Amino acid sequence: GAVVSQHPSWVICKSGTSVKIECRSLDFQATTMFWYRQFPKQSLMLMATSNEGSKATYEQGVEKDKFLINHASLTLSTLTVTSAHPEDSSFYICSARRAGGFYNEQFFGPGTRLTVL
Amino acid sequence: ELKVEQNPLFLSMQEGKNYTIYCNYSTTSDRLYWYRQDPGKSLESLFVLLSNGAVKQEGRLMASLDTKARLSTLHITAAVHDLSATYFCAVDPIFATGANNLFFGTGTRLTVIP
Repeated sequence: GAVVSQHPSWVICKSGTSVKIECRSLDFQATTMFWYRQFPKQSLMLMATSNEGSKATYEQGVEKDKFLINHASLTLSTLTVTSAHPEDSSFYICSARRAGGFYNEQFFGPGTRLTVL
Repeated sequence: ELKVEQNPLFLSMQEGKNYTIYCNYSTTSDRLYWYRQDPGKSLESLFVLLSNGAVKQEGRLMASLDTKARLSTLHITAAVHDLSATYFCAVDPIFATGANNLFFGTGTRLTVIP
């Protein structure tokens, strides 16, 4: 149980285009989902926290208009990188916290590698 | 802001040897997680530590938590090549700060050599 999927696994796009990444909790409901980015050989950096049915909370320094997050249901959150540029190339990982869980354990998706040319 | 530091950052060890990775954090928390990450992959949950004095073991890995010292350790016994990966600790400060999210350590990149 507690499986999180991400789609796509990797994506290569041209500069200036937008890319949407989906994060799904497959066998549980997730009240909260988190989006991280990870640069090579670095730790995870939290970008935003997404609660179902409400606006995402962004970490300081993360542009809301560039990284659009939608958490439309208890099993799906999407991250759209708008007008992507090469500096947005990174490994994006989502995680989900199970509804009704009594602690903050998060279940991580397999990640999406974004390369912007 | 809560800081989580891991030590060492890089570790190269021979097969069969033992070693300990340390995770120090700067605020009260009695919940801590350890994850493993292989190159190009996402995080795999290893241990969930939920109270002071918690100790968990799985195979050659053992994790412990000392909330008074704000320290967790990940001990590797008789290392094998398959353990080569990056290990992250993550602190859950929800009861101390109300924060919803985990705070990740810097990671320890372990290489086990024959």
